Order: sequence, then structure tokens, then C-alpha cells
Amino acid sequence: ETGVTQTPRHLVMGMTNKKSLKCEQHLGHNAMYWYKQSAKKPLELMFVYSLEERVENNSVPSRFSPECPNSSHLFLHLHTLQPEDSALYLCASSPTGIGYGYTFGSGTRLTVV
Amino acid sequence: GQQLNQNPQSMFIQEGEDVSMNCTSSSIFNTWLWYKQDPGEGPVLLIALYKAGELTSNGRLTAQFGITRKDSFLNISASIPSDVGIYFCAGRQGGSEKLVFGKGTKLTVNP
Repeated sequence: ETGVTQTPRHLVMGMTNKKSLKCEQHLGHNAMYWYKQSAKKPLELMFVYSLEERVENNSVPSRFSPECPNSSHLFLHLHTLQPEDSALYLCASSPTGIGYGYTFGSGTRLTVV
Repeated sequence: GQQLNQNPQSMFIQEGEDVSMNCTSSSIFNTWLWYKQDPGEGPVLLIALYKAGELTSNGRLTAQFGITRKDSFLNISASIPSDVGIYFCAGRQGGSEKLVFGKGTKLTVNP
């Protein structure tokens, strides 16, 4: 149990589907992150939320839409994805402030068919 | 953006051997972190380093914060099969909350 829970663990969706990934943390952290991890590529930061405000969007296509309703929950809404979007999507959280590491969830393995 | 150069990209070793890997940058970092990712899981924090020259151990793992603040090293002694995974370095620069990650070192341990 890492303290950061991601659901579902696996997701297969068609290119015309709409789905959502969920992330939940009960560590009292104020910052939450979405990362994309593709084979043979480094971790790609997608979005950063700090105190429920989006503070960073790293040129992510609009077919990915994040939502942070409160400091414990983070969603990634998906629509009209492409096969190249297939990857492991990792959620992480941290306390705000310099000097802390991130706690990662186990990820959602997404396959777009 | 800032990048960390992590070497080697992959390692194949025999059980019982010691392992060394490193992470370098052209810029100064104030924090260095080492993570391990098991297959199908998210990265888990192994060791955090906060001061130049700091040497910290976690069981058979030892990590060092380089004196120049531009590099960090991770050593694993007497490797065992469960050490298999991908090891990531991560760094944080002064005034930034954001972590920069290396590309990872994939470790394979042969029994």
C-alpha cells in the first residue's frame, strides 16, 4: 500500500471512447501530478496541481483533460485517444514546498485500440 | 527542459555482485532522489539526499550526493534477484518544487 491509489489498474479503450482515470491519496499532500511512461522513454510530466490549482500543463494534447476536485483526488479524463497514447499513466503526490520526494501510485496501464 | 543523464541504461549481473549507477547533470541540484520501479508498479522512493557530499544507506543500498552538486551515485551491494527493476534518479533545483527524472537504469540479476 503506497498511500496513492490509482484505478483502474488496466484499461483498454477504443479511439472513440471516453474514459477517466482516478487517483486518490490520503497522505495529506497538497500537490498532485500526472506522468506518462512509455516504453524506452523517460517519465513525462503531464500536469501539476498544487492546492487544487493547475500550475503546470506540459503541452499535453486537449484529448487529455485533468480535474482536481479536492486535494485528495485527481482525475484524468480521456477522449478520442490515439494508439500512441497507450502507456502507463502514473499519479504522484507530494507535500508542497521544496525538499520532498513524490509518492507514486501503481499506475494505470492504458491500451488504445 | 533540464535533463539528467543516467548511466548505464541497462545492466546484467550475477546474483551476489555489487552494482553501481550514476546520474549527472550540467546544472546544480539541491536534492537528489533515487527511486526503484518494479514491473507493473509505480516508482518507490529508496533514498533522498539533501546536502553535497552526503552519503546515505538503506540496507544494501548506498547513495551519495556529489560534491559538485551535479551528480549522484547509487550502489547496491551483494545483489539478489528481487533487486531486478528500473532505478530512476531524480533531482530538484534551487527554488523549484518540480522533480527532474533520469531515463532509468534497468537492472537484471541472474540467479
